[in-house]
Amino acid sequence: DTAVSQTPKYLVTQMGNDKSIKCEQNLGHDTMYWYKQDSKKFLKIMFSYNNKELIINETVPNRFSPKSPDKAHLNLHINSLELGDSAVYFCASSYSNQPQHFGDGTRLSIL
Amino acid sequence: QKEVEQNSGPLSVPEGAIASLNCTYSDRGSQSFFWYRQYSGKSPELIMFIYSNGDKEDGRFTAQLNKASQYVSLLIRDSQPSDSATYLCAVRAGGGNKLTFGTGTQLKVEL
Repeated sequence: DTAVSQTPKYLVTQMGNDKSIKCEQNLGHDTMYWYKQDSKKFLKIMFSYNNKELIINETVPNRFSPKSPDKAHLNLHINSLELGDSAVYFCASSYSNQPQHFGDGTRLSIL
Repeated sequence: QKEVEQNSGPLSVPEGAIASLNCTYSDRGSQSFFWYRQYSGKSPELIMFIYSNGDKEDGRFTAQLNKASQYVSLLIRDSQPSDSATYLCAVRAGGGNKLTFGTGTQLKVEL
């Protein structure tokens, strides 16, 4: 029943590996987002898709590649993971520019 | 100067008191303002949003916006221990979807 669901909730992996995080929303929203929250709890937008079209692409290393197969799904693939990638990654969704609703987060730890 | 500034706290208030959380922003073109509550280890949860100057009340919460002075505040009346959390201020400029978050204010409501 979770409105915005992310998998996995926890991800522990070694430096240099490639990993993916998946997000799905059942709210009927047309816009989805990826945020990164660092160890100081600062929440920063990374990407946003509206109806499968990339509309926000912040200054993020090109090791991060989002993909939206349809407007209910948004995935994030990360290549060559680095120690600095350790953070909580939140998916969010909204209807156009209405208030955004967040998923539970994926806690990524790089060993 | 940070785009969205909040006092990191912690702000301690006794149970039953009014908690006042403040946020200032630098972009005069900002049009939409949001308050999210984040419990430790959880995702941000939308509490209030406000688009027009003045006050907006919802239960024990009141959001106040002053665009001329570029600040937005959140008042929590009859504070409860369950209100103890980090409160994130978020600002959206123009008609786009990008939210810029402050670093959050930690609120502690003491018995």
